[in-house]
Amino acid sequence: EVQLVESGGGLVQPGGSLRLSCAASGFPFSGYYMHWVRQVSEKGLVWVSRIDPDGSTTAYADSVKGRFTISRDNAKNTVYLQMNNLRADDTAVYHCVGGRDYWGQGTLVTVSS
Amino acid sequence: DIQMTQSPSSLSASVGDKVTITCRASQSIVAYVNWYQQKPGTPPKLLIHSAASLQSGVPSRFSGSGSGTDFTLTISSLQPEDVATYYCQQSYSTPITFGQGTRLEIK
Repeated sequence: EVQLVESGGGLVQPGGSLRLSCAASGFPFSGYYMHWVRQVSEKGLVWVSRIDPDGSTTAYADSVKGRFTISRDNAKNTVYLQMNNLRADDTAVYHCVGGRDYWGQGTLVTVSS
Repeated sequence: DIQMTQSPSSLSASVGDKVTITCRASQSIVAYVNWYQQKPGTPPKLLIHSAASLQSGVPSRFSGSGSGTDFTLTISSLQPEDVATYYCQQSYSTPITFGQGTRLEIK
């Protein structure tokens, strides 16, 4: 059974940092592009970042470039999102996505003073 | 960035109806389109990949078509369990972008 379990979300003040983790199982993690996608309440989906299977190439949405860093550890089947200098408009549920197929339930990030 | 313009934003139809949702890309994306279904409180579920390929386990009443800039998701006979929000997504280039979503209800 495929599982993607995100953790690390929570309440943080503007300007603060959080590190999200996503533990994957049930599929060949080291062969998959991994993404982070965020969603505000029941509103639309916004792609945040992608990392290629061996971790050598990354891509970011303009809104997070320079503030967020995606990384992965294929030995631990885990992908990370380091989020720095957080802003109120980063508040969302952050989903980890394996390829196009596999989505985690998400972890809520709330940026507020 | 490639914009994905999805329509309609909401739709109400009767059980058994044929339902069509469209997505237009701001430039050619060949067939790099995926369609997702999202029900409240759950993550999106892949229905169609590569514009027209039915994901394993998805009912055959769902189908996708199109290439270049214009794409369509069709439900041939609407069922009560199809109530959800549907999104198109282009994976042709980064930043990957989604349509705004179509909320589908039963009349």
